[in-house]
Amino acid sequence: DVKVTQSSRYLVKRTGEKVFLECVQDMDHENMFWYRQDPGLGLRLIYFSYDVKMKEKGDIPEGYSVSREKKERFSLILESASTNQTSMYLCASSLEGDTGELFFGEGSRLTVL
Amino acid sequence: TQLLEQSPQFLSIQEGENLTVYCNSSSVFSSLQWYRQEPGEGPVLLVTVVTGGEVKKLKRLTFQFGDARKDSSLHITAAQPGDTGLYLCAGHSGGYQKVTFGTGTKLQVIP
Repeated sequence: DVKVTQSSRYLVKRTGEKVFLECVQDMDHENMFWYRQDPGLGLRLIYFSYDVKMKEKGDIPEGYSVSREKKERFSLILESASTNQTSMYLCASSLEGDTGELFFGEGSRLTVL
Repeated sequence: TQLLEQSPQFLSIQEGENLTVYCNSSSVFSSLQWYRQEPGEGPVLLVTVVTGGEVKKLKRLTFQFGDARKDSSLHITAAQPGDTGLYLCAGHSGGYQKVTFGTGTKLQVIP
């Protein structure tokens, strides 16, 4: 079975703290993505990566950075967490190609106080 | 900007009823996916359709891709409580294009 694993299911952080969200996939997929999901706003793309050490901004990159040092791992970093970053964060991966099929992790529910 | 509108936004039905969810866009997609997401979990891929007019069945779920590849529908026959969840359609324009997600349909099936 394909698997995308996110390091933390639930996190509570304080405003200004640095937050790391890690994602690992075991499917040898080239592409990896970070989304956030908020009620009424749907899924919004933060960053994505098509190769190791490569990253591209999505639709809402402000306040976030990413790291992809190894093919299987894609990390999302909040340098200084703010309350408006309270959200459900979803990591996904996909094969190179045209299908657009995404395989998601279970999600990380982040609360910033 | 590509948009995918889903209707209805919310649906609450009794077990055993049939339902249809629609996913519409003015853009053409090379493929379209349907996902189901349960509360507190990530979306799970149900199906991919790639050919205009294509129909795929997954047990009691029937998926159709419009002839012009701009819209899709999901029909559930004899809904069960286990079908409860958020249904998302997503369109892909091919290659390194980003995936566009629909607005979502929240389905509740009451026993």
